[in-house]
Amino acid sequence: AQKITQTQPGMFVQEKEAVTLDCTYDTSDPSYGLFWYKQPSSGEMIFLIYQGSYDQQNATEGRYSLNFQKARKSANLVISASQLGDSAMYFCAMREGGRDDKIIFGKGTRLHILP
Amino acid sequence: DVKVTQSSRYLVKRTGEKVFLECVQDMDHENMFWYRQDPGLGLRLIYFSYDVKMKEKGDIPEGYSVSREKKERFSLILESASTNQTSMYLCASSLSGNGNQPQHFGDGTRLSIL
Repeated sequence: AQKITQTQPGMFVQEKEAVTLDCTYDTSDPSYGLFWYKQPSSGEMIFLIYQGSYDQQNATEGRYSLNFQKARKSANLVISASQLGDSAMYFCAMREGGRDDKIIFGKGTRLHILP
Repeated sequence: DVKVTQSSRYLVKRTGEKVFLECVQDMDHENMFWYRQDPGLGLRLIYFSYDVKMKEKGDIPEGYSVSREKKERFSLILESASTNQTSMYLCASSLSGNGNQPQHFGDGTRLSIL
């Protein structure tokens, strides 16, 4: 079974609109962390935002926020006021336990921002 | 800012060659990782290292080995390259913590095995 599921292979959004990228996860570990990364066409992976399983509030970083619904095991990324430069592949990822080892990545969502 | 540098952006090698991919980070991170990324399969972990001279197998270690002689450098070795190892290879590093430290990635190496 997949640990991280991103159900939207691709999305087209008009510039300046808000975008929600879906992510659901599967773990029985009470301690885990959720990450979102952006990968432009140039290839580098850029860390965007982190949410810990015990964090009381939803994480925010500038135009990025994470809609964390623990009971539903959902960690959707919200991008406000989208820009052309937001066009990229977006990956949701999870690390289980309080360890520093591997992160499990979803298959990604390709976001296209239309002018 | 964290800087993770991979030695080559593009590399072309022949089947059977021994291939070295180098990765250097400048932030004194304890942990380093090698992934490969293929369309439709996402990122898959090949090997990771918690410390100098330590290594752990990831999900797809077959056909690969690694070396970490210095803290800042983590090398991926394809012992005898094969065409199914044509892929994008990504190196990452992170601080040790309680699991909340993000991994920081290099720009990637697009490796073609002919």
